[in-house]
Amino acid sequence: KAGVTQTPRYLIKTRGQQVTLSCSPISGHRSVSWYQQTPGQGLQFLFEYFSETQRNKGNFPGRFSGRQFSNSRSEMNVSTLELGDSALYLCASSLDGDHTGELFFGEGSRLTVL
Amino acid sequence: QKEVEQDPGPLSVPEGAIVSLNCTYSNSAFQYFMWYRQYSRKGPELLMYTYSSGNKEDGRFTAQVDKSSKYISLFIRDSQPSDSATYLCATLGGGNKLTFGTGTQLKVEL
Repeated sequence: KAGVTQTPRYLIKTRGQQVTLSCSPISGHRSVSWYQQTPGQGLQFLFEYFSETQRNKGNFPGRFSGRQFSNSRSEMNVSTLELGDSALYLCASSLDGDHTGELFFGEGSRLTVL
Repeated sequence: QKEVEQDPGPLSVPEGAIVSLNCTYSNSAFQYFMWYRQYSRKGPELLMYTYSSGNKEDGRFTAQVDKSSKYISLFIRDSQPSDSATYLCATLGGGNKLTFGTGTQLKVEL
């Protein structure tokens, strides 16, 4: 069974640019969540999508957005990049329904903003 | 104050030692508690989850939750070099929103 796939794995952008990250969940999983991981703040919740609807949102500015497609694949977008957006962005999928916190994470997209 | 506090370590122990990893949390409404393990350059993977207070054992790993003191623990018996990783405690909010501790870096030395 294939795991969660994230693309691209690494990318470098400059301040002011925008970036789109992609996530393909495990087959059959309907919930996709996004997290930002930095050395200082650790893992922080960005948002969760279920059946193409945002179900939950963390405390990030509006520059961070996401969407989910009918096949459960998800994208997140960060506009007007800032240096502080440099981080590992992790996508996680789950079957949903039981809400036990059993998330399956991808290996992440490492974003460097110069 | 962060909702979940965790000592970042690093923690270094000899092979075979018993490891104790701990977190505290502030929101008494939390009911689900998880431990994730993250190897370098990998995404976190779920080790164990517990519901409410009590203990849960899985092989060499035991998770313990004390809701009265808002304390979460993970014990690793007979630690192995392959256990060297960052361990993240987490609590579950609405939906699948997890609030993580900052992680404790563990190194098990031969």
